[in-house]
Amino acid sequence: DQQVKQNSPSLSVQEGRISILNCDYTNSMFDYFLWYKKYPAEGPTFLISISSIKDKNEDGRFTVFLNKSAKHLSLHIVPSQPGDSAVYFCAAYNQGGKLIFGQGTELSVKP
Amino acid sequence: NAGVTQTPKFRVLKTGQSMTLLCAQDMNHEYMYWYRQDPGMGLRLIHYSVGEGTTAKGEVPDGYNVSRLKKQNFLLGLESAAPSQTSVYFCASDQGYTGELFFGEGSRLTVL
Repeated sequence: DQQVKQNSPSLSVQEGRISILNCDYTNSMFDYFLWYKKYPAEGPTFLISISSIKDKNEDGRFTVFLNKSAKHLSLHIVPSQPGDSAVYFCAAYNQGGKLIFGQGTELSVKP
Repeated sequence: NAGVTQTPKFRVLKTGQSMTLLCAQDMNHEYMYWYRQDPGMGLRLIHYSVGEGTTAKGEVPDGYNVSRLKKQNFLLGLESAAPSQTSVYFCASDQGYTGELFFGEGSRLTVL
């Protein structure tokens, strides 16, 4: 039972345009959400997070939006750059204090 | 600053063989984790530790054992490897409930 779902395995975007990566979760008790970025042959690295008491968090070109009623979060990257090409994982803390990851979305930003 | 280091980076095993993956962190983190990454499955938690001498089961613990004898090290063992354990294994650490895990570079294991 996948509690955190990323339904798009891949996304292709033109350089300079907006990238929108989506994530859905099933448990309304999740209260802290994160995005990780992973390059090939490297471990994931933390990108940005959001608490359930907020609906938006911004860090430079990266913004995470949280819609609690829809149990949905999204990561916006504006403007997208070729160096943003990577696999992006969303994650959520469950009640047991464990971080549950989605399946990942591979973003390709084309020059 | 090494961060989180995993050894070995690559290993090929035959079914039934045993092996140990070693994870070392130099950030004095209390919490350490072992995840596996499989296509279409994301990262799944195998086992974790909330401090020296402690271990606990994650989402997919079967077929694996772990030990945390020293705070900086977290070992993942496969007693009798199976082809289903072919995967990329990631170790991570943090101070606990921060969500901001620091990951190693991964260990690619193939079981024939």
